[in-house]
Amino acid sequence: NAGVTQTPKFRILKIGQSMTLQCTQDMNHNYMYWYRQDPGMGLKLIYYSVGAGITDKGEVPNGYNVSRSTTEDFPLRLELAAPSQTSVYFCASRHGTSNVGELFFGEGSRLTVL
Amino acid sequence: KQEVTQIPAALSVPEGENLVLNCSFTDSAIYNLQWFRQDPGKGLTSLLLIQSSQREQTSGRLNASLDKSSGRSTLYIAASQPGDSATYLCAVSSRGKIIFGKGTRLHILP
Repeated sequence: NAGVTQTPKFRILKIGQSMTLQCTQDMNHNYMYWYRQDPGMGLKLIYYSVGAGITDKGEVPNGYNVSRSTTEDFPLRLELAAPSQTSVYFCASRHGTSNVGELFFGEGSRLTVL
Repeated sequence: KQEVTQIPAALSVPEGENLVLNCSFTDSAIYNLQWFRQDPGKGLTSLLLIQSSQREQTSGRLNASLDKSSGRSTLYIAASQPGDSATYLCAVSSRGKIIFGKGTRLHILP
């Protein structure tokens, strides 16, 4: 099993550009999450999903959009990139029928907006 | 709103010492609490997961405890080694979301 796979690992964007961070998991997990981590800070929840077709906002959703058309994929969309979105983005997943599953992370995507 | 706090923010101890990292949360309605390790520039590695019905979990030199009623968890590291140097984060699963603390940056002095 590959676990949680994120692409790209690194990306530089210009202000106002758009892009999608991809996240795929092969563990048949119901729950998926997107976090951002700024230097010296913990992880802030952007969006999460409890299953295909269901998404909800986290702590810092502004400037981002998500979709969950399949169990495996949970892409994160930045429509109009801003310097404040420079961060490291982590995708995570867990088995969720009982809310007690261990959380597994991807290796992260480092995004710089200039 | 669930808030997770980790104290201290940074800690330096000589090799061989036992140490305790603290995590507190404001909403006791949690499903579980998980401790992670993060090395510089890397992703997160799960260390221990404690379900809300459990009091503690152990893995090798690591022991994590949970007191849900007081909103606290501790991570105990025995006989610390330089390889334990990393940032340690706790995360609380609560009402569908998983909320993280800011982490404790640990440095073990050889």
